[in-house]
Amino acid sequence: DQQVKQNSPSLSVQEGRISILNCDYTNSMFDYFLWYKKYPAEGPTFLISISSIKDKNEDGRFTVFLNKSAKHLSLHIVPSQPGDSAVYFCAGTGNQFYFGTGTSLTVIP
Amino acid sequence: DTAVSQTPKYLVTQMGNDKSIKCEQNLGHDTMYWYKQDSKKFLKIMFSYNNKELIINETVPNRFSPKSPDKAHLNLHINSLELGDSAVYFCASSRAANYGYTFGSGTRLTVV
Repeated sequence: DQQVKQNSPSLSVQEGRISILNCDYTNSMFDYFLWYKKYPAEGPTFLISISSIKDKNEDGRFTVFLNKSAKHLSLHIVPSQPGDSAVYFCAGTGNQFYFGTGTSLTVIP
Repeated sequence: DTAVSQTPKYLVTQMGNDKSIKCEQNLGHDTMYWYKQDSKKFLKIMFSYNNKELIINETVPNRFSPKSPDKAHLNLHINSLELGDSAVYFCASSRAANYGYTFGSGTRLTVV
């Protein structure tokens, strides 16, 4: 049962433009959402999170938006940089974690 | 059908005990992983197996030992549990390195 879905396996964006990574979920009981970033040959690193009682959380170039009615969250990276090229996972959590399968972002210089 | 399943979901045990966490994937993936999530939500890789062969073994105490009886299973045995072992442990699998990861839902281990 895939409770968290990332329907775009890959995304390419020009340097300096906005990257938007999307994530959909089915479990309305999630109370926290997280984004992880993963470089090749490394473990995922925590990037940013948002509580289910909020609709936006910003940290530098990274902003996460949560639309609870649509059960949708998105990660915006502005401006995108080549070092942002990585695989991004979203996760929802209540009592347990549920991860999406990841979106591979390529930022083209 | 759960793609990557871990059992148990919760594990509370006393210091000094030996315990195991099981992981099974039905995706036909070649590579499986164990990650430990610390209190800061950082996911640290512990082990990676490819077709039953160990390919990554990060610096973890040798009290932790992975066992892969076949390509679909990667179990984690922990001997002489310590308080600092309390964490959430995630199993994951992928078709190939860095491609199409699927995570299990985690095992919350509490050592008392």
